[in-house]
Amino acid sequence: GQQLNQSPQSMFIQEGEDVSMNCTSSSIFNTWLWYKQDPGEGPVLLIALYKAGELTSNGRLTAQFGITRKDSFLNISASIPSDVGIYFCAGYNSGGSNYKLTFGKGTLLTVNP
Amino acid sequence: EAGVTQFPSHSVIEKGQTVTLRCDPISGHDNLYWYRRVMGKEIKFLLHFVKESKQDESGMPNNRFLAERTGGTYSTLKVQPAELEDSGVYFCASSSRTGAIYGYTFGSGTRLTVV
Repeated sequence: GQQLNQSPQSMFIQEGEDVSMNCTSSSIFNTWLWYKQDPGEGPVLLIALYKAGELTSNGRLTAQFGITRKDSFLNISASIPSDVGIYFCAGYNSGGSNYKLTFGKGTLLTVNP
Repeated sequence: EAGVTQFPSHSVIEKGQTVTLRCDPISGHDNLYWYRRVMGKEIKFLLHFVKESKQDESGMPNNRFLAERTGGTYSTLKVQPAELEDSGVYFCASSSRTGAIYGYTFGSGTRLTVV
């Protein structure tokens, strides 16, 4: 089946630093998504990317959909303590009746104040 | 509007016992999904309901897992008998339209521990 390789597995940074994480896939997706999971909560959608090459921002977050449609990255600028959590990439192929998401293993982000 | 509700939030059971997880989707959402995350691994798709029908159950691990959605409202996921490898966090999600990723809302999950 399809697999997403997400890296890094974990990051420890100081408040104010920028963060970058990425995902690569063995196969093509036509939609890439980035989720954040806070402790004890479910994943919450941060950014959705629908077109190869697309660069999208949401506040301090920026994500890009790779040209090959097999990769995506997420950048967080000027990190703050509430950015702590697990970040997941997910891929999805729309069309037909199959709407399941394929997730990466997640990046655990720790921000030291 | 109320979100996706799951309960219990935590469950600890012994190997061989039965556990039933429940998910209440957002009112009016026809589409309901179950996912599972085993510690340190990716979140994996289990199955997808459209109203009361199973649209895709290709991710169900084996026949010890039974999902139902009677009347197209809430859903239950029963594990019988539970094994150690069933431990993990089970997430439910719902969406208002098939394929509407922006409307795909997750619940807080049920953390299942089998000892």
